[in-house]
Amino acid sequence: GAVVSQHPSRVICKSGTSVKIECRSLDFQATTMFWYRQFPKQSLMLMATSNEGSKATYEQGVEKDKFLINHASLTLSTLTVTSAHPEDSSFYICSAREVGQSNTEAFFGQGTRLTVV
Amino acid sequence: KNQVEQSPQSLIILEGKNCTLQCNYTVSPFSNLRWYKQDTGRGPVSLTIMTFSENTKSNGRYTATLDADTKQSSLHITASQLSDSASYICVVMRNTGFQKLVFGTGTRLLVSP
Repeated sequence: GAVVSQHPSRVICKSGTSVKIECRSLDFQATTMFWYRQFPKQSLMLMATSNEGSKATYEQGVEKDKFLINHASLTLSTLTVTSAHPEDSSFYICSAREVGQSNTEAFFGQGTRLTVV
Repeated sequence: KNQVEQSPQSLIILEGKNCTLQCNYTVSPFSNLRWYKQDTGRGPVSLTIMTFSENTKSNGRYTATLDADTKQSSLHITASQLSDSASYICVVMRNTGFQKLVFGTGTRLLVSP
């Protein structure tokens, strides 16, 4: 199956700093990528939908100035957690769908464990 | 309200045994239903994806069923292995203008030696 690579897999940062997470589709082009957040023992919660070449669409309650999303190419989307706080500590996962394949499966990255100290 | 409910929340079985996980959904309009396996600290990996017209689909020791009339799905795992220990997530795609995924809360399976 298609591969989505997420980097880094783990990151620890100090409160007040910013952290960038990358999501790459390695063997296909993705017009749309999705960013999720997952708390322990809970399911994935969609944060935003990232569209190549345009602004991201954020879910209700997600601060767009806090979670900056850039989808500059068909194979790369980035999520930047700005001015991170301990409550931002979570597991962040991206997924991507192939161009023109909106009804097929989404391929997920391996996730990024963010710890803010 | 568009929801996906899974049961049981958690399950412990002995290695080699079979088990069945349940998924009920109220998502509408329905596009397809997926089962994912998520290992701890990893992203979900697709097991099966079924459309409205499909009743059953297999992927190795995993067999998923779908009853679109009762809006129920199940995932049957045969001859469980220790590596099957993971969370299994039922996900339904809504057939709206932009297809969105609705996630279940998952079933945490532990296969014990």
